[in-house]
Amino acid sequence: GAVVSQHPSRVICKSGTSVKIECRSLDFQATTMFWYRQFPKQSLMLMATSNEGSKATYEQGVEKDKFLINHASLTLSTLTVTSAHPEDSSFYICSASPWPNTEAFFGQGTRLTVV
Amino acid sequence: AQSVTQPDIHITVSEGASLELRCNYSYGATPYLFWYVQSPGQGLQLLLKYFSGDTLVQGIKGFEAEFKRSQSSFNLRKPSVHWSDAAEYFCAVSGPGNQFYFGTGTSLTVIP
Repeated sequence: GAVVSQHPSRVICKSGTSVKIECRSLDFQATTMFWYRQFPKQSLMLMATSNEGSKATYEQGVEKDKFLINHASLTLSTLTVTSAHPEDSSFYICSASPWPNTEAFFGQGTRLTVV
Repeated sequence: AQSVTQPDIHITVSEGASLELRCNYSYGATPYLFWYVQSPGQGLQLLLKYFSGDTLVQGIKGFEAEFKRSQSSFNLRKPSVHWSDAAEYFCAVSGPGNQFYFGTGTSLTVIP
């Protein structure tokens, strides 16, 4: 099956700093990738759709200036949490699909802790 | 709008007993339905998926699920639970652009 790799798997940062999370499709090209957020013991919530070569589409309630998404190539999308605060601590996970209307392949997730 | 409901937040079963996790969905067209499992601190592992065809789908680890359009349900079943099945289970429906909408999850505890 297709492989999506996410890096880093864990990151701890100080409050006020920015953190970048990478999502790569290793063996296929993805014009669209998705970013999800999961709070402890809760479900995954779609944050935004990352579109290669154009602006990301954010779900209602997600601050686009705090969660910057860049999809500069067909195999890489990045999520930057800017000016992170403790409430941004969460599990972030990305997904991508090699074909439309099929299953998505998920990255391993990134555990962000802001101290 | 798409939505997924998992009525059971937490289920406890004895090892060797049968299991059924409930999932109801709301979707305007023919849904693509999925069950994922997540162990603590880990990513998602696909158990099975339904796109079309046979409404009873088989997945990995002995799991199966049945799509019932009339009930808007996609319940997950396993005839005999193993201790290693303890985890969080998520039902999901995908939209036309491959974005996923997840249920709130069901936490499974297996007792010896």
